[in-house]
Amino acid sequence: AQSVTQLGSHVSVSEGALVLLRCNYSSSVPPYLFWYVQYPNQGLQLLLKYTSAATLVKGINGFEAEFKKSETSFHLTKPSAHMSDAAEYFCAVSYSSGGYNKLIFGAGTRLAVHP
Amino acid sequence: EAGVVQSPRYKIIEKKQPVAFWCNPISGHNTLYWYLQNLGQGPELLIRYENEEAVDDSQLPKDRFSAERLKGVDSTLKIQPAELGDSAVYLCASSTSGREQETQYFGPGTRLLVL
Repeated sequence: AQSVTQLGSHVSVSEGALVLLRCNYSSSVPPYLFWYVQYPNQGLQLLLKYTSAATLVKGINGFEAEFKKSETSFHLTKPSAHMSDAAEYFCAVSYSSGGYNKLIFGAGTRLAVHP
Repeated sequence: EAGVVQSPRYKIIEKKQPVAFWCNPISGHNTLYWYLQNLGQGPELLIRYENEEAVDDSQLPKDRFSAERLKGVDSTLKIQPAELGDSAVYLCASSTSGREQETQYFGPGTRLLVL
């Protein structure tokens, strides 16, 4: 079965510091991978997605993620954190099951950014 | 372009009462999803529609939950009767198709509190 593990339910960084949010997936087939961000009382917004093209994927707001098949990882990074990056981040894997796709989410990582 | 619209945004009811949530997907999106998001967790699929047909409702508790998508556009999710454990955020999402690489666009959600 497909699954997603996000290491660290809470991550705290200083403003201007590197942001690293970890995601490992389990998939028996080449996966499609997504990172979503959720601000308080809002829905999920797509940050970026991997669809088997370039392994380094650039997204919105300065975020990027690298697909590493050997490590089954898709970690999210940003060189310099802003206060506005404080939110919940979800990694997700999409795969086909019974002729239809399923999107499986990790439990999420809450990012706090302090001055 | 308008995003996914959901209403109401918040709902407080007493247990055993019925409740309904409404979703209007992005224009032209044939695939519509309802997700359940418990506090501190990622979204979990309840039901998925391709146009007006429910193609994956395996996770929908059919004894109390029902959904419909008349005319293949708007959708309604109903709970009757509601239980304390139904307190959660109900998210609606839509995509152009159901392929694995398609981005799902999420609405702001309906936050349900059952007393």
